Amino acid sequence: AQTVTQSQPEMSVQEAETVTLSCTYDTSENNYYLFWYKQPPSRQMILVIRQEAYKQQNATENRFSVNFQKAAKSFSLKISDSQLGDTAMYFCAFISNFGNEKLTFGTGTRLTIIP
Amino acid sequence: GAGVSQSPSNKVTEKGKDVELRCDPISGHTALYWYRQSLGQGLEFLIYFQGNSAPDKSGLPSDRFSAERTGGSVSTLTIQRTQQEDSAVYLCASSLALEHNEQFFGPGTRLTVL
Repeated sequence: AQTVTQSQPEMSVQEAETVTLSCTYDTSENNYYLFWYKQPPSRQMILVIRQEAYKQQNATENRFSVNFQKAAKSFSLKISDSQLGDTAMYFCAFISNFGNEKLTFGTGTRLTIIP
Repeated sequence: GAGVSQSPSNKVTEKGKDVELRCDPISGHTALYWYRQSLGQGLEFLIYFQGNSAPDKSGLPSDRFSAERTGGSVSTLTIQRTQQEDSAVYLCASSLALEHNEQFFGPGTRLTVL
């Protein structure tokens, strides 16, 4: 079974600074997808960024980028030039490549951007 | 276009009562998922539908929980004889064909069992 671990329950950073959220996972599979989801107080889960395990290049989406280390089973999220609207819970998630199976989530990191 | 919608947004019920939670997926999405998020926790998988069939019910915590999906669209999660530990946010997600693996979430239903 897959597991996802987020070891930082809470983080805070000054507006405009850069912050990195950590995520490690455990799987015996070689092909899979990794995601970072954002959950603001509205409860709506919003996909931030995704990474296919077979791609060596790290995914980027505007101010968001990942550091994917497959051998180390590490998948960290870097937020550059942080904004007040980035304040939210962030969840790391794993899904097998073998069809539409369940997402396995970490327990989340509560990120607060300080004005 | 419209996203995943869920109703009700909030539900307060008394212990022992039955509740029904509804999910309307994005039109054309064949896969539908239910997750539960307890206070301060990550999301816990409950059940997955492909069309109207449920190939994976492994996450349902007890036989008080059941779900159905009709017409390959709307899904209902039913909790019978609710207990206080059932209090949580219930999130629904939908996705397209197998190779996409990107799930789009609804806003959830917050269930409170008194």
